Amino acid sequence: NAGVTQTPKFRVLKTGQSMTLLCAQDMNHEYMYWYRQDPGMGLRLIHYSVGEGTTAKGEVPDGYNVSRLKKQNFLLGLESAAPSQTSVYFCASRPGGMSTEAFFGQGTRLTVV
Amino acid sequence: GENVEQHPSTLSVQEGDSAVIKCTYSDSASNYFPWYKQELGKRPQLIIDIRSNVGEKKDQRIAVTLNKTAKHFSLHITETQPEDSAVYFCAANREAGTALIFGKGTTLSVSS
Repeated sequence: NAGVTQTPKFRVLKTGQSMTLLCAQDMNHEYMYWYRQDPGMGLRLIHYSVGEGTTAKGEVPDGYNVSRLKKQNFLLGLESAAPSQTSVYFCASRPGGMSTEAFFGQGTRLTVV
Repeated sequence: GENVEQHPSTLSVQEGDSAVIKCTYSDSASNYFPWYKQELGKRPQLIIDIRSNVGEKKDQRIAVTLNKTAKHFSLHITETQPEDSAVYFCAANREAGTALIFGKGTTLSVSS
């Protein structure tokens, strides 16, 4: 049981390049989230999904897109990377229904130069 | 949408002292309030949570209190130990909704 796995763990991008971060969970969770973590800013919600085929905007969605074509995967895309998107990205998943624990992936450290 | 404010941003205590971290939230419909601990270089992990039908919850040295009228909740750590040093995040969530919104975190340092 791997839990929540993020790919890749590290990445350096040049300004204007695009990339996709993959989050995979093997716990059959309904809800999945993408957060970014910056010093002094905490965990800010980018986008989230309440089930396969659904997505919703979070607190800081601009410059990112997401897709949830399969229940176990949640993809975060950067169409044209900017230095302001340098951050540590965390994916999390939760069971649906009643208030439940969110399980986080190990994080992806992204640097945009 | 929900807004969660957390104070203080940093907290330094001596081993054995108590530590208190406070959070306020804006959405009166929120009714689930978890606390996460993140050690350096690691992922956040749940340490305790509370639901709106409960005013206080304890788990060994940690406790959480909730005041729904004032829309604030607090984390209390007693008899702090060096291994309690970490960043602590509070969060708020609606039962029916799914956006889990976090505060900005508190860096707790426990010195021996």
